[in-house]
Amino acid sequence: QKEVEQDPGPLSVPEGAIVSLNCTYSNSAFQYFMWYRQYSRKGPELLMYTYSSGNKEDGRFTAQVDKSSKYISLFIRDSQPSDSATYLCAILNAGGTSYGKLTFGQGTILTVHP
Amino acid sequence: NAGVTQTPKFQVLKTGQSMTLQCAQDMNHNSMYWYRQDPGMGLRLIYYSASEGTTDKGEVPNGYNVSRLNKREFSLRLESAAPSQTSVYFCANGENTEAFFGQGTRLTVV
Repeated sequence: QKEVEQDPGPLSVPEGAIVSLNCTYSNSAFQYFMWYRQYSRKGPELLMYTYSSGNKEDGRFTAQVDKSSKYISLFIRDSQPSDSATYLCAILNAGGTSYGKLTFGQGTILTVHP
Repeated sequence: NAGVTQTPKFQVLKTGQSMTLQCAQDMNHNSMYWYRQDPGMGLRLIYYSASEGTTDKGEVPNGYNVSRLNKREFSLRLESAAPSQTSVYFCANGENTEAFFGQGTRLTVV
């Protein structure tokens, strides 16, 4: 079983739609939960991170973590064509024998069309 | 201030050849990583180094070796390249909650 599983998509939505991206994970060690965005032929860049269950908002983006079910989500409100990219969830192990290990999901390609 | 620098950007190898991918950072971060990215597979961790002097296997370490030469540099070596190692390779460094990525190396093994 992969440590991080991500709904693969791809997703194609009209401008203004609400987008939901989802991942599950298997490790219960103390961790940070992250979302990265990757444009074509570029390296990933951090969008948001959190370490606790609940919601964290940043503008049109909301990261949600449910530690009891090992489920993380990213919601994008009022999606724009400039949001078209690959979105990757990631888990950073902040304790235990795998301290420092940063594992990514498979990525979801999102296309927002005008 | 370049952040994370990977060399080379592009490389074509013949099956069985060896090569080393270089990665250097000027951000003074403890953790460094090597990933490969293939279509539909996301970023798969090859090796990581949580601090200078330590290295650990990731998800797909077979066929690769790494060396954390010092805090700045983390190299990835392919001893005998195989077509299955055709991929885009990313080096990254990290501190606390953010990882910073290099621009990637596109490697083709024929």
